[in-house]
Formats: sequence, structure tokens, C-alpha cells
Amino acid sequence: NFMLIQPHSVSESPGKTVIISCTRSSGSIASNFVQWYQQRPGSAPITVIYENDQRPSGVPDRFSGSIDTSSNSASLTVSRLKTEDEAEYYCQSYDGSSPVVFGGGTKLTVL
Amino acid sequence: EVQLVESGGGLVKPGGSLRLSCTASGFTFRSYDMSWIRQAPGKGLEWVSSISSSRSYILYADLAKGRFTISRDNAKNSLDLQMNSLRAEDTAVYYCARLRSFGIIDFWGQGALVTVSS
Repeated sequence: NFMLIQPHSVSESPGKTVIISCTRSSGSIASNFVQWYQQRPGSAPITVIYENDQRPSGVPDRFSGSIDTSSNSASLTVSRLKTEDEAEYYCQSYDGSSPVVFGGGTKLTVL
Repeated sequence: EVQLVESGGGLVKPGGSLRLSCTASGFTFRSYDMSWIRQAPGKGLEWVSSISSSRSYILYADLAKGRFTISRDNAKNSLDLQMNSLRAEDTAVYYCARLRSFGIIDFWGQGALVTVSS
């Protein structure tokens, strides 16, 4: 089994760009797709990135995803930050023995 | 529009049982694998169980093995989670989720709160 490790929190100002990392503890980050979910306080999660870098319809192009095999990590980049982006963000991946593995979540504060 | 609506949550005593249901609409339910995900108060997301479109695979997290049973009725567009021998630590919001493919969630329901307390 593997874990996905995220920073507990990040903060940035409106209009700026923030990057949230997600490091896979064992096995290659490139072996299985990575997804990102946004959860605003009191609401259900929504998918903002799937299959490493794909954006569902309706998700602004300010959200982008990538993976980096050298650091064995995935990243969620949110550009042109808005106050409405303030939320908890979870990365998620899987493998043959672990169908759904979540990171611990990162609280994004836009101040 | 894809919709997943959970029902059946509530207050139950330790050792008791509860059955959650998820009614799907806006897509061809029988073509998609589905999952249950939960979130304890103030905590992160935790996978509970998954079932394939044709029930060819059914998987459980260790927390659910022997106590929870996932099932689906493709004719009724519904997904269920039967939960037995409930414990205080099962207190959580339970989300129904659609899988785009194995391990990839694309839509979430709004959640059903399960509280296990005496």
C-alpha cells in the first residue's frame, strides 16, 4: 500500500498563483492517474482535475494538474486566485490493491 | 445533468444497523462503477467500498470488511450500502460517487450523515 502526502495548508493572495503538491510514498506517480477534488466548507467534494491533467467541463482553466516523476509527485496549480477558491483540496490515486487512496488534504486560504 | 442523491442516514446506536441508498439520474447508471466514500467530522476523505457496473468486482476497505455490504440495482438506478455492527468511529458523512473508470471519481453525491451514538 502507498500513501499520498500533502501539505496541511497553503495560503496566497487573490490574483496570485498557488501550487499544491501531492507526493506518492511508494511506487511510481506515473503508474496510475492522479485526481484532485475541491471541497468547500459544508459542501460535498467536486472533481477539478482527473487523469493527471484533465479538467471536467465547468471547471475554470485557472485549475491545472501535472505530475513530476523526478519528485514522484503530482501538483495542482490554481492561477489568478479568487476568494471562492478557498477550500480543502484532496489528491487521489489508486493501484491494483488499493482502489482509492486519498491524500490528507490541503487547506487553501486566499487572503 | 448527473445527479446522485443519498438517503437513509440518521442516528443509530452502537451495534445497530443502517442502510444507505443512492439514487442516480442523468446518466446510464448500468455503465458505471460506483463507490462509497466517507468523511468523519473534521477529518479527510476515506474510501469505503466500490462495485463494478456489472458487479464483477466488489471491493471493501479494511474498515468495512465483514460489516458493510455494497450492492446495486441497475434496473432501479440505485446503489446501496448495508452497514451492520456500527461503531462510534463510523460516524461520518457518507458520499456516493461515480467512477469514470477504475479508481477515478468524476461525480459526487451531496452526502448522508450517519451518527452512531447511544
